[in-house]
Amino acid sequence: KNEVEQSPQNLTAQEGEFITINCSYSVGISALHWLQQHPGGGIVSLFMLSSGKKKHGRLIATINIQEKHSSLHITASHPRDSAVYICAEYSGGGADGLTFGKGTHLIIQP
Amino acid sequence: NAGVTQTPKFRILKIGQSMTLQCTQDMNHNYMYWYRQDPGMGLKLIYYSVGAGITDKGEVPNGYNVSRSTTEDFPLRLELAAPSQTSVYFCASSYSSGEETQYFGPGTRLLVL
Repeated sequence: KNEVEQSPQNLTAQEGEFITINCSYSVGISALHWLQQHPGGGIVSLFMLSSGKKKHGRLIATINIQEKHSSLHITASHPRDSAVYICAEYSGGGADGLTFGKGTHLIIQP
Repeated sequence: NAGVTQTPKFRILKIGQSMTLQCTQDMNHNYMYWYRQDPGMGLKLIYYSVGAGITDKGEVPNGYNVSRSTTEDFPLRLELAAPSQTSVYFCASSYSSGEETQYFGPGTRLLVL
């Protein structure tokens, strides 16, 4: 079973800072997901990637298959980015769900 | 287009009681999932379904049952509630397997006392 580790667990930064959240996994995967959980509890998918890099607005996700590592970057961070960011992997070969990391709790202070 | 809806939002159960958590999606997705989220832990898969009439166990299925009679609905049944089932439950759906975006419902917070 794949293990998904995220770092840091908690991150507090000032508005405008460049943010990096890391995710590592132990076994080869078919897809890597980044999700955002709002303070109210709702979960939204941000990215799904299997190689390279994806960008959406101020968010960038990268993955290095050889190193079994992915990063989520936030440029020009804003207090509304405060949320829990969750990394999850899909190892493929079946229809079962994702394996999730424990999440990174991000707080952006004005 | 409502996406994935769950009811109820919050429920308190007594030990030994039963209840059904409802989940409905209107995106015509084949795959549906039930996850639970405990404090400080990652979401864990309870059950999943790849289509009407087909369900299978996930990582933590004990104490739960599911059915999938239609594409839209995927209810989760707790037969004999236990304090260990206190958690937040999320239903999710996707068009296909884990290589597709998953869409999550708003969650059901369950407290078993």
